[in-house]
Amino acid sequence: EAQVTQNPRYLITVTGKKLTVTCSQNMNHEYMSWYRQDPGLGLRQIYYSMNVEVTDKGDVPEGYKVSRKEKRNFPLILESPSPNQTSLYFCASSLVAGTQYFGPGTRLTVL
Amino acid sequence: GIQVEQSPPDLILQEGANSTLRCNFSDSVNNLQWFHQNPWGQLINLFYIPSGTKQNGRLSATTVATERYSLLYISSSQTTDSGVYFCAGLRDDKIIFGKGTRLHILP
Repeated sequence: EAQVTQNPRYLITVTGKKLTVTCSQNMNHEYMSWYRQDPGLGLRQIYYSMNVEVTDKGDVPEGYKVSRKEKRNFPLILESPSPNQTSLYFCASSLVAGTQYFGPGTRLTVL
Repeated sequence: GIQVEQSPPDLILQEGANSTLRCNFSDSVNNLQWFHQNPWGQLINLFYIPSGTKQNGRLSATTVATERYSLLYISSSQTTDSGVYFCAGLRDDKIIFGKGTRLHILP
């Protein structure tokens, strides 16, 4: 089954404790993205990747890191999470010019 | 940066009604898409529609790229259509979303 998976689905953590949210897709897509969704703000792109070892900043990259060592995986890293990073996070993948497929989301709470 | 305006922001309709949702871009974009976020938070792609018209059952979409807008039509609404509808476009390799239209269908 073609899908995008994210883990964990829910995470409660404390300020400053490094965390990683994993994202994996099995559709051989080149383009992968991370978004955060906050009430009233829609989805905002954090980082994106056009292919392996190619990553770039989206609209809200501050406080986040990503890597793309393999085509299928695109982890999101919060080196020192803060409460303003409490949000709902989505990973997505697509062909460069094509329909985006979203993961199920990760609800992150930073205390 | 590019601004994406979706209208209306909220819509409450009786089951069976028709609706038109609009998405305006302040500048040209590629790869325009429409998504539905259901009440459980899942994002589902509805249409990939950079230009022209597509139909899928009770839903159809039209994009007029030269005028930088897209329309999503929902006919004979059902309660399962409730949720938030987003449009998104690609510009300079970045994807920009609108803030969405929240649709509530009453039984």
